[in-house]
Amino acid sequence: GAVVSQHPSWVICKSGTSVKIECRSLDFQATTMFWYRQFPKQSLMLMATSNEGSKATYEQGVEKDKFLINHASLTLSTLTVTSAHPEDSSFYICSATDGAGEPTDTQYFGPGTRLTVL
Amino acid sequence: GQNIDQPTEMTATEGAIVQINCTYQTSGFNGLFWYQQHAGEAPTFLSYNVLDGLEEKGRFSSFLSRSKGYSYLLLKELQMKDSASYLCAVIDSNYQLIWGAGTKLIIKP
Repeated sequence: GAVVSQHPSWVICKSGTSVKIECRSLDFQATTMFWYRQFPKQSLMLMATSNEGSKATYEQGVEKDKFLINHASLTLSTLTVTSAHPEDSSFYICSATDGAGEPTDTQYFGPGTRLTVL
Repeated sequence: GQNIDQPTEMTATEGAIVQINCTYQTSGFNGLFWYQQHAGEAPTFLSYNVLDGLEEKGRFSSFLSRSKGYSYLLLKELQMKDSASYLCAVIDSNYQLIWGAGTKLIIKP
């Protein structure tokens, strides 16, 4: 149980284009989903927390107009990187909890999406 | 400031035991997670400690001392598939999850 999928697993795009990443909880309802990015040999950096049916809460320093998050249902959240640039190249990982979205809830991670912007 | 310290890299032999330490200095404490992350993959949950003591789960055990700001992950009967990074993460008083940079564990035959 508690499986989270992400699509695509990797994507290469040209600078200036937008990329959408989907995160799905396959066998549970996720009231809260988290989006992280991870640079090589570095830890996870929380970008935003999204709750179903409401606006995402972005961490300080994360541009909400650049990283659009939509959590339209209890099983799907999407992250759109708008007007991507090479510095946006990273490993993007989503996670979901089946609890109340408290940090004490166990997070189930998706397999990640590797974005390369040329 | 908030800080979580883990060794960057450790090497151990297949079949042996290894202990990965994590020390933290955070504004308050509301629990500590250990996650395993294989290269190029997402983290997977290993353990959650909120009270002092040792929690055993199969070959993996996790220990917490809140007074010392210290935790360790103990891996027994090491297998090659245990080669991965191990991430320590602490929940602070604001219920923010603070992630360590991870310890890369290399298992040699």
